Amino acid sequence: SQQGEEDPQALSIQEGENATMNCSYKTSINNLQWYRQNSGRGLVHLILIRSNEREKHSGRLRVTLDTSKKSSSLLITASRAADTASYFCATVLNTGNQFYFGTGTSLTVIP
Amino acid sequence: NAGVTQTPKFRVLKTGQSMTLLCAQDMNHEYMYWYRQDPGMGLRLIHYSVGEGTTAKGEVPDGYNVSRLKKQNFLLGLESAAPSQTSVYFCASTGRLYGYTFGSGTRLTVV
Repeated sequence: SQQGEEDPQALSIQEGENATMNCSYKTSINNLQWYRQNSGRGLVHLILIRSNEREKHSGRLRVTLDTSKKSSSLLITASRAADTASYFCATVLNTGNQFYFGTGTSLTVIP
Repeated sequence: NAGVTQTPKFRVLKTGQSMTLLCAQDMNHEYMYWYRQDPGMGLRLIHYSVGEGTTAKGEVPDGYNVSRLKKQNFLLGLESAAPSQTSVYFCASTGRLYGYTFGSGTRLTVV
């Protein structure tokens, strides 16, 4: 399977702390994307990082990509209770039109 | 509002019954996808389409069929439902593989 693997599976932090979650994948990619899913809802696209990029920022989000290690991390700074959700990484290969999703990290931010 | 609309939102089927899930997008996207989401499994790709009149198999296509007769619509069919097809189904679309837009999901229970 080309599926990515997120780590940790679950994370619980206090409001105001930073949250870091990681994604590892198996084969060369065109780009990697992070999505958020609130309970019972569809996924929402957060950020995309291309294979030739190493770091990207969007508001309180920072994404890094290490293609030599086939891994990415998502950092949420100054977390808020509203950040409570599941976070998924999705990899897009060079050779196809498919996105491969990991199993997700469940983040709980305690007010 | 522009986006991806899935119908129905909920459905209960008896084993052996058939049904069609409809996905409609109004963003003129070329690519459309059907995923299923099961607890602890992340999202798994069922079928996808790279344009009107085209379809392709994903990771878990067995028991499902799809059609893309119009660019804006992508239909997912279950010919003979089985309890193993109890899941939440998500449709997604994208214009250039640079970020999916997801529908809100269809929760299907097969009894």
